[in-house]
Amino acid sequence: DQQVKQNSPSLSVQEGRISILNCDYTNSMFDYFLWYKKYPAEGPTFLISISSIKDKNEDGRFTVFLNKSAKHLSLHIVPSQPGDSAVYFCAASESGGGADGLTFGKGTHLIIQP
Amino acid sequence: DTGVSQDPRHKITKRGQNVTFRCDPISEHNRLYWYRQTLGQGPEFLTYFQNEAQLEKSRLLSDRFSAERPKGSFSTLEIQRTEQGDSAMYLCASSPFRNTGELFFGEGSRLTVL
Repeated sequence: DQQVKQNSPSLSVQEGRISILNCDYTNSMFDYFLWYKKYPAEGPTFLISISSIKDKNEDGRFTVFLNKSAKHLSLHIVPSQPGDSAVYFCAASESGGGADGLTFGKGTHLIIQP
Repeated sequence: DTGVSQDPRHKITKRGQNVTFRCDPISEHNRLYWYRQTLGQGPEFLTYFQNEAQLEKSRLLSDRFSAERPKGSFSTLEIQRTEQGDSAMYLCASSPFRNTGELFFGEGSRLTVL
C-alpha cells in the first residue's frame, strides 16, 4: 500500500520553463513533507521541506505547495535548468517535524531539454 | 570528505552467504538511518539509531537482518543467508539531533545476490 504516490514516472520540460512535480499521500497523520533529488550513482540530497502548518515554502528557484485537504503537494522549479535533470522523490513523516522513518514515493525522473 | 561514507560500494555474493555493510556518518550527527532501495522504487526505511540505541525498526527488517551502532559512531548492517530478493541498494543517512527533516545520505552500497 503506497502511502506516498508520485504518479508520473517521468517528466520532460524545456529549459527556462517551469517544472511541476506532483505528489499525493494517503496517511492523514503525515505532518512533515520533504523533497529529495537524486543523481545517478549518488545518494539522495535534501532539497526543500514543508510543515503541515504551512501551505507554501520557497527557497530560491524551488517552491513547495501543500494542500492538506486534497492530501497533495507539488514542487515547482522555475526557471528549469539542465542541472535540474534528476530523479525527484517526495517523502513524508508523521514525526512532528523530524525525519524518523521517512516514507518515500517512487520518484519522478525530470528531464530538462535544451 | 566529511560526508556520509559507505563501504563497500558494491558487493556481489552467492545466495546463502552473509554480507556486512558499514556506514560512517557525519561525525557530529547523532542519528543514523538505514534505507533500502530497489529498482523503480523510492528508498524504504529499515531502521534508525540515536547514538547507540536502535529506536525504530521496520517490519521489512526480517530476522536475517541485524544492524548495530556499538559506540554511537559507525554502524554495520548484516544480512545473513542472503536471498535473491535482498538485491538492492542499501542507503545510510545521518542527521543531527535537532533534526529539521534533512537527512544526509551516503552514496549507497549495492548488493547483488546471485
